[in-house]
Amino acid sequence: EAGVAQSPRYKIIEKRQSVAFWCNPISGHATLYWYQQILGQGPKLLIQFQNNGVVDDSQLPKDRFSAERLKGVDSTLKIQPAKLEDSAVYLCASSLDPQGREAFFGQGTRLTVV
Amino acid sequence: QKEVEQNSGPLSVPEGAIASLNCTYSDRGSQSFFWYRQYSGKSPELIMFIYSNGDKEDGRFTAQLNKASQYVSLLIRDSQPSDSATYLCAVDTGGFKTIFGAGTRLFVKA
Repeated sequence: EAGVAQSPRYKIIEKRQSVAFWCNPISGHATLYWYQQILGQGPKLLIQFQNNGVVDDSQLPKDRFSAERLKGVDSTLKIQPAKLEDSAVYLCASSLDPQGREAFFGQGTRLTVV
Repeated sequence: QKEVEQNSGPLSVPEGAIASLNCTYSDRGSQSFFWYRQYSGKSPELIMFIYSNGDKEDGRFTAQLNKASQYVSLLIRDSQPSDSATYLCAVDTGGFKTIFGAGTRLFVKA
């Protein structure tokens, strides 16, 4: 079974630039999550999709972050414009459904904003 | 604000000893509890989950849940250097939302 795929693995951008991350979840997984993990901290949920609908985006900084999940499969997360404090690992995860099931994580994208 | 608290560590134990990792959570309505292991520079991977009060054992790992005390723990028996990692406690607070703690760093000395 293929895992959660993310790209790119690493990205370095200057502040005020834009960046996009891509995620392909495990086949058949209806729930997709984007987490932000700052060094030394636990993952923080940014947005959660159930199929292509948003379940929770309460911690997504909507003035600069946006996410979409087309056709309930792949997802993209965009930051525009980036700030220095956005430097983190962005983790995509998926699960069969949102009801307390285990989440499987991708390798993450390490973003450095300079 | 629903919270999940963990001691950041590092927790250092000798090889072969029992490592005990603890987690408390604030939302009494929480139903599902997960322990993830995260090696440095890698993604979290699930090692245990528990839904009911009591103990759940899987190999060298035992998860313990006490909903009345809002407390969940992970015991690692016969700790190995390869167990050295950060252990993340995650709680499904209901409303289909999972919150992660900041993690406890475990170091197993050979």
